Amino acid sequence: GDSVTQMEGPVTLSEEAFLTINCTYTATGYPSLFWYVQYPGEGLQLLLKATKADDKGSNKGFEATYRKETTSFHLEKGSVQVSDSAVYFCALSDRGYSTLTFGKGTMLLVSP
Amino acid sequence: ETGVTQSPTHLIKTRGQQVTLRCSSQSGHNTVSWYQQALGQGPQFIFQYYREEENGRGNFPPRFSGLQFPNYSSELNVNALELDDSALYLCASSSRTSGTNEQFFGPGTRLTVL
Repeated sequence: GDSVTQMEGPVTLSEEAFLTINCTYTATGYPSLFWYVQYPGEGLQLLLKATKADDKGSNKGFEATYRKETTSFHLEKGSVQVSDSAVYFCALSDRGYSTLTFGKGTMLLVSP
Repeated sequence: ETGVTQSPTHLIKTRGQQVTLRCSSQSGHNTVSWYQQALGQGPQFIFQYYREEENGRGNFPPRFSGLQFPNYSSELNVNALELDDSALYLCASSSRTSGTNEQFFGPGTRLTVL
């Protein structure tokens, strides 16, 4: 079945540092890929998405590129802020039913 | 545009009891999915409802059941609660007619089973 693997956290960075959170997936067919963010005590918010190979999703300075050849969708940001501290989830969706398969999440802690 | 809402926010039950969680979908959305998020884990798909019928189910036992109403709101019912049912329950709505499979999540209901 479908699965998503993320790097384990927590990832601890200083403000303005470069961020990479690795995500790889296993799926049949050609899924859509997503990054969701969860702030403490809240639900999930869609951060960015990509629906086909070589697509780049971007939002709020975050970027991720759909790499079919390496089955990856790594999240990057050039300069993190304290307000980026949250848990980040990589997910994929089968095109047929739009249900999501999530990774376990990676906690990001950014210090001033 | 009203987002996805869930009630209650928090709930405490004891083993063996039954619980009903509620979700109102985002305006214009006709599909509702439920997820269970255990502490420190990613959300796990429970089931999805479309046009008032279950349309896909994850690896959850039959004591997890649901309903979708004509206004597309939904309920999640869990019978014979177990300690491992303690989790954040997330509802997400989407639209089959939008051409995308983007889901919009509510804030969740935190269920504690004692």
